[in-house]
Amino acid sequence: ETGVTQTPRHLVMGMTNKKSLKCEQHLGHNAMYWYKQSAKKPLELMFVYSLEERVENNSVPSRFSPECPNSSHLFLHLHTLQPEDSALYLCASSQAVLGHGNTEAFFGQGTRLTVV
Amino acid sequence: AQSVSQHNHHVILSEAASLELGCNYSYGGTVNLFWYVQYPGQHLQLLLKYFSGDPLVKGIKGFEAEFIKSKFSFNLRKPSVQWSDTAEYFCAVKGSNSGYALNFGKGTSLLVTP
Repeated sequence: ETGVTQTPRHLVMGMTNKKSLKCEQHLGHNAMYWYKQSAKKPLELMFVYSLEERVENNSVPSRFSPECPNSSHLFLHLHTLQPEDSALYLCASSQAVLGHGNTEAFFGQGTRLTVV
Repeated sequence: AQSVSQHNHHVILSEAASLELGCNYSYGGTVNLFWYVQYPGQHLQLLLKYFSGDPLVKGIKGFEAEFIKSKFSFNLRKPSVQWSDTAEYFCAVKGSNSGYALNFGKGTSLLVTP
């Protein structure tokens, strides 16, 4: 058990659907992240939230929309996705944003997304 | 461009063999360095980390890594692998000039045969 829980674990959606990924952390952390893990590519940082404020957005297409209602929850809203968006989406959290002190990231198990 | 390189994409070893996985990065300035492991069907978990101090870092499950600043390297080692070490291993770097991003290498898939 990692302390970071993601739901659903698997999701298949059509290109016209709207769905949301959920992440919850039970570690009392102040920073949360969305990463994308595609086959044969390094993990790509998508979004960073610190104290519920988005502090980094790595040129992610607008069809991905994050939401952080509180420091324990992070969502990724998906709409009109493309097949190339199929990947493992990982949520992570850390006590503070990385680089501030000796901080490490804790990862959830991910949501395996398939866009058909 | 800032990057993290893992030289070995697939490694196959017999049990009790020694392991060394290479990791090089291209960031200047201060770096925080990490090795993560992902066992089949499980989440990424931290093996070890380096922030400062002794460049030889010991982690969980008998793993260690050495930070060599002059070589921009942070290689992972284990003297004797076990079948249960079969997993994907990721090197990650947080550079002082890379915003909030933890930048990952592509990973190395390790298969340990009995």
